[in-house]
Amino acid sequence: EDQVTQSPEALRLQEGESSSLNCSYTVSGLRGLFWYRQDPGKGPEFLFTLYSAGEEKEKERLKATLTKKESFLHITAPKPEDSATYLCAVQAYDNFNKFYFGSGTKLNVKP
Amino acid sequence: NAGVTQTPKFQVLKTGQSMTLQCAQDMNHEYMSWYRQDPGMGLRLIHYSVGAGITDQGEVPNGYNVSRSTTEDFPLRLLSAAPSQTSVYFCASSSGDRLYGYTFGSGTRLTVV
Repeated sequence: EDQVTQSPEALRLQEGESSSLNCSYTVSGLRGLFWYRQDPGKGPEFLFTLYSAGEEKEKERLKATLTKKESFLHITAPKPEDSATYLCAVQAYDNFNKFYFGSGTKLNVKP
Repeated sequence: NAGVTQTPKFQVLKTGQSMTLQCAQDMNHEYMSWYRQDPGMGLRLIHYSVGAGITDQGEVPNGYNVSRSTTEDFPLRLLSAAPSQTSVYFCASSSGDRLYGYTFGSGTRLTVV
């Protein structure tokens, strides 16, 4: 069964303190791995798609990487405005109409 | 450029009542889907559509119906509301093969009492 597990559930950082979020997945033939950001009371906002092991994508202070079993979202020198819940999702080749989401990591960056 | 519009934003229903959650997109996206989000469980797919007239079930379809008569609209119907359907519901759309991510609506917070 396709599964996505995110860790930690919650993370508190001081402004400027870099860290990483983890997304472990089990899927029969990964077609794409997606990262989203969700602010309270809003829908998720698309950040990145990763397609194959070794791939990296960057956006401002965020960098996403992918291996055959997991993905990391690295946050470099975070700011309070980076506080949000970060969601990971996978899409498999055998049914790319269905995405499987993890339960998210809630990031709180304190000034 | 509205994107994905969901109405209502909040709703309280009594057990056994029915209602329709509305979703409309103005991006000419072929693919639309409904998710529910519950604490600690992530987003779970209820139903999806790959085009007008074509719908299919997701992970948790029981108690919900959908139809897609136009490209723009994808309403979700709750047939007989139950407390277990208390959740936040998100509609999402995407073009092509879904590799460029979804665009989500802002959600409907539903409480069934």
